[in-house]
Amino acid sequence: AQSVTQPDIHITVSEGASLELRCNYSYGATPYLFWYVQSPGQGLQLLLKYFSGDTLVQGIKGFEAEFKRSQSSFNLRKPSVHWSDAAEYFCAVGVALMNYGGSQGNLIFGKGTKLSVKP
Amino acid sequence: DVKVTQSSRYLVKRTGEKVFLECVQDMDHENMFWYRQDPGLGLRLIYFSYDVKMKEKGDIPEGYSVSREKKERFSLILESASTNQTSMYLCASSLGLAGIEYEQYFGPGTRLTVT
Repeated sequence: AQSVTQPDIHITVSEGASLELRCNYSYGATPYLFWYVQSPGQGLQLLLKYFSGDTLVQGIKGFEAEFKRSQSSFNLRKPSVHWSDAAEYFCAVGVALMNYGGSQGNLIFGKGTKLSVKP
Repeated sequence: DVKVTQSSRYLVKRTGEKVFLECVQDMDHENMFWYRQDPGLGLRLIYFSYDVKMKEKGDIPEGYSVSREKKERFSLILESASTNQTSMYLCASSLGLAGIEYEQYFGPGTRLTVT
């Protein structure tokens, strides 16, 4: 079955330090992968997405993610964290729904990683 | 910019009440979704719709129903609210094949408390 695992429930980093949030997926076909961010009390905002091509994807707010097929991973990185990056981060995989003949799809989300930033 | 709005940010209802959560998107998206978000459980899909008057059950449809009479509006209905439905509810929409070609756009959420 398709699934997304974010192994870290909560991470704390110092402002200015680098960040890597881990995401592993399970999906039989070529995955379509997303990272979303949720600030406190808000909805989710798309940071970046991977569909095909270059395995290193650039997103908004200085984030990037690297797709590694051999490891079934799509880890999110940022070289220098800012206090405003404190939020919850969700990895998701897009899956086709076979009862629609693959013409429709949906997202499966990980449980999220909460990021705290120390001054 | 795509805008997804939800009728209330915060809602307090009593057990047994019928509750309506409304979601409107302004970008002519075909697909609309209702999720429930709980700490430690992430987002769980309740219902989704790929067309007007069409609905499909997600992972946790029990205790919920939906209505989509117009393309831009997708309503989530709690027929008889219970305390275990206290949660954050997120609406989303997408163009075309959600999760395959196009990302989902989310509303700000409704935090529902059932007492």
